[in-house]
Amino acid sequence: GDSVTQMEGPVTLSEEAFLTINCTYTATGYPSLFWYVQYPGEGLQLLLKATKADDKGSNKGFEATYRKETTSFHLEKGSVQVSDSAVYFCALTYTNAGKSTFGDGTTLTVKP
Amino acid sequence: DTEVTQTPKHLVMGMTNKKSLKCEQHMGHRAMYWYKQKAKKPPELMFVYSYEKLSINESVPSRFSPECPNSSLLNLHLHALQPEDSALYLCASSQAPTGSSYEQYFGPGTRLTVT
Repeated sequence: GDSVTQMEGPVTLSEEAFLTINCTYTATGYPSLFWYVQYPGEGLQLLLKATKADDKGSNKGFEATYRKETTSFHLEKGSVQVSDSAVYFCALTYTNAGKSTFGDGTTLTVKP
Repeated sequence: DTEVTQTPKHLVMGMTNKKSLKCEQHMGHRAMYWYKQKAKKPPELMFVYSYEKLSINESVPSRFSPECPNSSLLNLHLHALQPEDSALYLCASSQAPTGSSYEQYFGPGTRLTVT
């Protein structure tokens, strides 16, 4: 079956540091890939997405590129802020039944 | 309007109570979802409604009963819950259930505590 593996957290960075959160997936076809973010006490928000190989999703300074050859969708940001502290979930949607497969989440804490 | 609203925000209920969670969206989305999320875990899919019909039930116990009265509303009826059902319940919607590029829009959740 489909699966998503995220790098284990928690991740703690200083403000303005470079961020990478690794995400790899296993899928039998060609899923769309997503990064969602969950701030404390809130629901999930879509951060970015990519629908096919070599697509780059970007939003709010975050980027991720759909790499079919390495089955990866790593999240990057060049300079993190304290306000980026949250839990980040990588997800794929593959079937036509609307089911998404989520990774376990990576907690990011950014210190001033 | 890209908002999914959920009520109540918090709910405490005893094991013999009956309560309902409500979810609403006005984006014209035709797929709606219920998820259960435990602390520090990813959301677990419970139910999917597609064009107001239940299309996926992830083997959820019958003490959880979903209802989709119309295309904008989704309810989750709760009865005889167990303490292990305490969790954050998230509602989500997407443009359609098919078409894998459709992202889901999540509500803020209802924090449920079963005593």
